[in-house]
Amino acid sequence: NAGVTQTPKFRVLKTGQSMTLLCAQDMNHEYMYWYRQDPGMGLRLIHYSVGEGTTAKGEVPDGYNVSRLKKQNFLLGLESAAPSQTSVYFCASSTRAYLAPYEQYFGPGTRLTVT
Amino acid sequence: AQKVTQAQTEISVVEKEDVTLDCVYETRDTTYYLFWYKQPPSGELVFLIRRNSFDEQNEISGRYSWNFQKSTSSFNFTITASQVVDSAVYFCALPNSGNTPLVFGKGTRLSVIA
Repeated sequence: NAGVTQTPKFRVLKTGQSMTLLCAQDMNHEYMYWYRQDPGMGLRLIHYSVGEGTTAKGEVPDGYNVSRLKKQNFLLGLESAAPSQTSVYFCASSTRAYLAPYEQYFGPGTRLTVT
Repeated sequence: AQKVTQAQTEISVVEKEDVTLDCVYETRDTTYYLFWYKQPPSGELVFLIRRNSFDEQNEISGRYSWNFQKSTSSFNFTITASQVVDSAVYFCALPNSGNTPLVFGKGTRLSVIA
């Protein structure tokens, strides 16, 4: 049981390049999330998904796109990377919340640098 | 909108001291949940606790305890007899609304010095 995994762990991009971050979970969770963490800013939600084929915007969605074609995977895309997107990206998942929110399980993070 | 404030940016204590990390929240919900996460130097986020607003009893888990006070909208976290392994960034969080994604505070960096 690997939990939540993220690929790649590190990446350096040039401004204008594109890339996709992959998140995979093996806990059969319905909900998945992408956050970014910047110094002094805590974690900010980029996009999230409450089920296969559905996505929703979070607090800081601009410049990112996501897809949830399979329940276990949640992809985060940067179409044209900018230096402001230099950050550590965390993926998380949680089970479906009926009466109460459940804890989110986090991946190890992807450190992205855009030069 | 929901908001979590962790006013302490960094705290430094000597090993074996007790330390309290503050968390103040704002919510429009009458029923809500609060969370604490730990991020050690290795970088991963580790879930510590989830607390229901209905239950205002203090929670204790080993050296960790949480004090929930609805009257002051606070959910503070105390580490008793701190250890070097407690050095980490600690985040307080609550759902944006109902059961939706968590809104995190900016975190408190705790350094425990041997």
